[in-house]
Formats: sequence, structure tokens, C-alpha cells
Amino acid sequence: GQSLEQPSEVTAVEGAIVQINCTYQTSGFYGLSWYQQHDGGAPTFLSYNGLDGLEETGRFSSFLSRSDSYGYLLLQELQMKDSASYFCAVLFNKFYFGSGTKLNVKP
Amino acid sequence: ETGVTQTPRHLVMGMTNKKSLKCEQHLGHNAMYWYKQSAKKPLELMFVYSLEERVENNSVPSRFSPECPNSSHLFLHLHTLQPEDSALYLCASTSDKSGEQFFGPGTRLTVL
Repeated sequence: GQSLEQPSEVTAVEGAIVQINCTYQTSGFYGLSWYQQHDGGAPTFLSYNGLDGLEETGRFSSFLSRSDSYGYLLLQELQMKDSASYFCAVLFNKFYFGSGTKLNVKP
Repeated sequence: ETGVTQTPRHLVMGMTNKKSLKCEQHLGHNAMYWYKQSAKKPLELMFVYSLEERVENNSVPSRFSPECPNSSHLFLHLHTLQPEDSALYLCASTSDKSGEQFFGPGTRLTVL
């Protein structure tokens, strides 16, 4: 299978900026997606990078560099409600998910 | 009704029971997925159906049996499960090669 690595846990304060990295050991995929999952909830889609570069959606941005085999999710102006787990996933003929990063936002 | 729905939301069953999980999507998608999510583990892909044909069976034990009667419905039939099968079972749908999967709320399964 494919291997995607993310930090297991990140802590930041309200109003701060946090970057969650996703490194992978694969190539030839269609794109990189990011999902958010609150405790007890289902994953929800945040962003998709089909091409290298930065995609911005409000407070969230995602970046992909195929030549460097990594991507990241950038969360700005953190809010308490951003406390959740964040998963990266690469798309081949199916999705391969990373193990997720638990983000703790503190006041 | 829109989005992806799953029933039941919670299920407790004994090891000798037979039960089924149901997933329904009204998004016009042509691919549907079953995932298993155990505590502190990544999402594990179980089955993929594309255009109602099973295109992926990720070495899942035969006590899990999927069924896709049409492009809007997906079932997961369960029998003689083990306690280690207790997990959150998530259904998702997508259109081909789209980077966005839509997930249902999941079924929290407990096997006693």
C-alpha cells in the first residue's frame, strides 16, 4: 500500500497559524485531499490539490509539491472549533489515508 | 434528502448474530466505499464499488459481505463477527477521480 506520514498531534493557541505536513512515498497519483474529523463525527472534505501549488479556501489553505513528495494544510486565525483530527489522502484508483493529526486549540 | 445517510447509527450485536448496515447517497455519485475506523488508527478501506461493480476488496474477512444493488445504495452484511470488529463503519461516495469524498455519519458497531 501507499505510505503517508503526518504528525500525530499538534497544539496551538487561538488566533495562531498552524501547518500540518503530510509526506508520502508514492508517485503517479491524481491529487492530495484533506479531511477534518471531529470526535464522534464523520470526516468532512476540506480541500483538494490536483496540481502543485497552493489552494486557498477561507482560513484554510493546502499546498502540494510532487517533486518534494509532500503537502501541507495551513490553518489561520485558529478557533476553538478547529480542534479536530485532520487527515491527508492521496487519490489513485482509490483513496489512501494518512493516520491523522490531532489538533488541539487552546485559549 | 441529500448527502450520504447511514443506518443504523449505533448497533450492538452478539458474535452469532446477523445484521446489515445500510448506506444511501442522493448525490448522483458512481462510486461508493466502506471504511472501518478503529480508535487511534487510520481509516481502513474495506470495499469499493464503481458503477455497481466491486472493484476493490481489501483482504477483508468473509464475515463482512458487501452488496450494491444500485448506484444509490450500499449494504454491509455482517455475521459471526468478533469483538475486534467493534469500530466505526463509514460509508462514502464520490464521482470518478474526484478528490472529494462525501462521508456518511457512520455506524458505531459494538460486538459483544
